[in-house]
Amino acid sequence: QQQVKQSPQSLIVQKGGISIINCAYENTAFDYFPWYQQFPGKGPALLIAIRPDVSEKKEGRFTISFNKSAKQFSLHIMDSQPGDSATYFCAAHQGGSEKLVFGKGTKLTVNP
Amino acid sequence: NAGVMQNPRHLVRRRGQEARLRCSPMKGHSHVYWYRQLPEEGLKFMVYLQKENIIDESGMPKERFSAEFPKEGPSILRIQQVVRGDSAAYFCASSPVASGNTDTQYFGPGTRLTVL
Repeated sequence: QQQVKQSPQSLIVQKGGISIINCAYENTAFDYFPWYQQFPGKGPALLIAIRPDVSEKKEGRFTISFNKSAKQFSLHIMDSQPGDSATYFCAAHQGGSEKLVFGKGTKLTVNP
Repeated sequence: NAGVMQNPRHLVRRRGQEARLRCSPMKGHSHVYWYRQLPEEGLKFMVYLQKENIIDESGMPKERFSAEFPKEGPSILRIQQVVRGDSAAYFCASSPVASGNTDTQYFGPGTRLTVL
């Protein structure tokens, strides 16, 4: 059972375009939602995170939109660059534990 | 300030052998987490440890897998009698306190285990 569903599986965007990755969850005990960026052969690195009492968070070109009632959140990458090409994972922290539950990942390719 | 360190980065074992994966958390971090990543999959939580204590091992397979975080030295994930299905990338993360929803987990580069 996939607790955090992530889509699309892969995404190709032209340089300067907007990349959008979506995640959905069912467990209302999730209380913190980070996004991680992973380059080949490397470990995941925290990109940006949001708590469910906030509907949007922006850091530079990266924005998280959060819809608590729909149990959905998304990552928007504005002005996408070839250096953004990586695999992106959404995750959710399970309240009362120390677990992070990850989506399956989205492989983003930004063409020059 | 060195990040989370894992070694070896690549490990090849034959079926039935033992695999030992090491993780040194970031300086000042006393909480360690292990995750497994299968090809084309997200990371799956395995175990959460503090110094000398296993706090949550709900993601660990019941047999052959064990983890420890001794008072001195790195955290060790041990897999006995490895099988081909154990081939995966194993990531360690650390945090200064229980990460909860106020802090984050910092990941190491991973150990890629291949079982022949």
